[in-house]
Amino acid sequence: DQQVKQNSPSLSVQEGRISILNCDYTNSMFDYFLWYKKYPAEGPTFLISISSIKDKNEDGRFTVFLNKSAKHLSLHIVPSQPGDSAVYFCAAGGSQGNLIFGKGTKLSVKP
Amino acid sequence: DAGVTQSPTHLIKTRGQQVTLRCSPISGHKSVSWYQQVLGQGPQFIFQYYEKEERGRGNFPDRFSARQFPNYSSELNVNALLLGDSALYLCASTDRAYNEQFFGPGTRLTVL
Repeated sequence: DQQVKQNSPSLSVQEGRISILNCDYTNSMFDYFLWYKKYPAEGPTFLISISSIKDKNEDGRFTVFLNKSAKHLSLHIVPSQPGDSAVYFCAAGGSQGNLIFGKGTKLSVKP
Repeated sequence: DAGVTQSPTHLIKTRGQQVTLRCSPISGHKSVSWYQQVLGQGPQFIFQYYEKEERGRGNFPDRFSARQFPNYSSELNVNALLLGDSALYLCASTDRAYNEQFFGPGTRLTVL
């Protein structure tokens, strides 16, 4: 049973526009959430995180929103750039200090 | 500053063999976690070590074991390899047990 779900396997966006990646979770006990970006043949790269006590965190072009009542978080990238094309993973911090990942969303930003 | 390093980069083994994967965390990080990623899935948690003690274990068989050394580097061992163990094995480090984790490039294991 998946605790972290990314229901969109892929997303295509025009350069300069906003990319919105979505993630749902089932366990209300998660303490924090993270987004990672992954290129082929590389390990995931940490992008941004948010504590469960906050509803928004911003870092440059990246903003993460958390809606605890809906058990939903989203990553906004504005403006999107071709170099943002990668697979994006949503992850939740578990009770053992482990991360529980979704299956990823492949973002393609077209010039 | 060096990030998380892993060795080897690639590895080919046959069924029934044993394998050891190595990881060096970011300097100053005391926690190391191991994950398995198969194609089309997100990374799956295997182990976490903090200050050389096992802090957590995922849903993997006893064929998987790990340890952390006094310098905080870590090894992941897998015995009696199965075809289904073919995956990218990722190591991640963090400076606390509960915090953002930073990943290495991974070791690609192929079991024939």
